[in-house]
Amino acid sequence: QVQLVQSGAEVKKPGASVKVSCKTSGYTFTRNYMHWVRQAPGQGLEWMGVINPSGDSKNYAQKFQDRVTMTRDTSTSTDYLEVSSLRSEDTAVYYCARDHSDSSGWWFDPWGQGTLVTVSS
Amino acid sequence: SSELTQDPAVSVALGQTVRITCQGDSLRSNYPSWYQQKPGQAPVLVNYGKNNRPSGIPDRFSGSSSGNTASLTITGAQAEDEADYYCNSRDSSNNHWVFGGGTKVTVL
Repeated sequence: QVQLVQSGAEVKKPGASVKVSCKTSGYTFTRNYMHWVRQAPGQGLEWMGVINPSGDSKNYAQKFQDRVTMTRDTSTSTDYLEVSSLRSEDTAVYYCARDHSDSSGWWFDPWGQGTLVTVSS
Repeated sequence: SSELTQDPAVSVALGQTVRITCQGDSLRSNYPSWYQQKPGQAPVLVNYGKNNRPSGIPDRFSGSSSGNTASLTITGAQAEDEADYYCNSRDSSNNHWVFGGGTKVTVL
């Protein structure tokens, strides 16, 4: 079955960077876009951006344009999200979610289990 | 940028029907998708497109759209349906996606 397995929790200091991985299995990696979504403690879901199947095109939410980099390694079927210049407000659970689309529109399924990133001095 | 608005919370008696609404301009040109999230868990897709359910999602979950408003209806709510529900839609103007603020559903 399709699985997205994310890397473990991270604790970082303000100003540092973090790189979260999302290893996929059970489908052809290069057929689907991948989205990243985050959720601060007690808050709602926030879309961060999307990377295309070949990894050469990304579209980031305006809020994250300057600090987020999405990449993928097609040889290992793994996606990566790097967030730089971390601040306390970046403390959140970060999710990867596989994109689907057809005439019905777009949807995310499945999701990774989430990676908690804590930013604290 | 586009926004999606949801009521923060609704409650429903066990076995009754509840409708969760989502409003936004992007819904005029794109169907939404809906996600259920229980505490400490990742979101799960429950409805998408005009009214499609993934395999394993009970048929008590149904979706509809008209104009700038989309709805997720739970017909015959069960205790296990108590969760947060989020709508999501693509903004065609910039190829970005946006989530609603979420609706907490309490089953009484």
